[in-house]
Amino acid sequence: EDQVTQSPEALRLQEGESSSLNCSYTVSGLRGLFWYRQDPGKGPEFLFTLYSAGEEKEKERLKATLTKKESFLHITAPKPEDSATYLCAVRLLYGGSQGNLIFGKGTKLSVKP
Amino acid sequence: GAGVSQSPSNKVTEKGKDVELRCDPISGHTALYWYRQSLGQGLEFLIYFQGNSAPDKSGLPSDRFSAERTGGSVSTLTIQRTQQEDSAVYLCASSPSGQETQYFGPGTRLLVL
Repeated sequence: EDQVTQSPEALRLQEGESSSLNCSYTVSGLRGLFWYRQDPGKGPEFLFTLYSAGEEKEKERLKATLTKKESFLHITAPKPEDSATYLCAVRLLYGGSQGNLIFGKGTKLSVKP
Repeated sequence: GAGVSQSPSNKVTEKGKDVELRCDPISGHTALYWYRQSLGQGLEFLIYFQGNSAPDKSGLPSDRFSAERTGGSVSTLTIQRTQQEDSAVYLCASSPSGQETQYFGPGTRLLVL
């Protein structure tokens, strides 16, 4: 069964304390892996798309990386405004519905000043 | 430019009533998706429209759920005879032709009493 697992469920950091969020996936074929940020009461906001192992994308304090079995979202020197739930999703290469994304349950990040 | 919009923002209804949720995708986007986000759960795919093709309804949880997309733009998700377990946030997303990234609206929060 195709599935996406994110860990940890929740992460509390001090401002400036770098860390990583994990997204592991088990799929028959990966067409793309997506990272979103979701603030309370809002819809997910697109961050990155990764397509192949070894690929990396960066945006401000965030860097996403991809291997054949997992993706990491590295947060360098986080600030309180980085507090949000980070969602990982995959799009299948074949099988099932090729239109939709399969989401993990997310990691809730809290950054304290 | 304008993003995906959804209405209403919040909806409270009584068990057994029908509800309609509306989604206005980003102008020019050919693909439209509906997802459901329940408390503590990941986003769950419901239905996918791509251009003039027949929709992919494989994620609809029961025959009480239906959706249509008129003129390749606005979409309406209808839930008949609502049940308490239908309480969730219903999210709509759209993407342009040939692109993988899905852009989400703010969601409709549905509460069934």
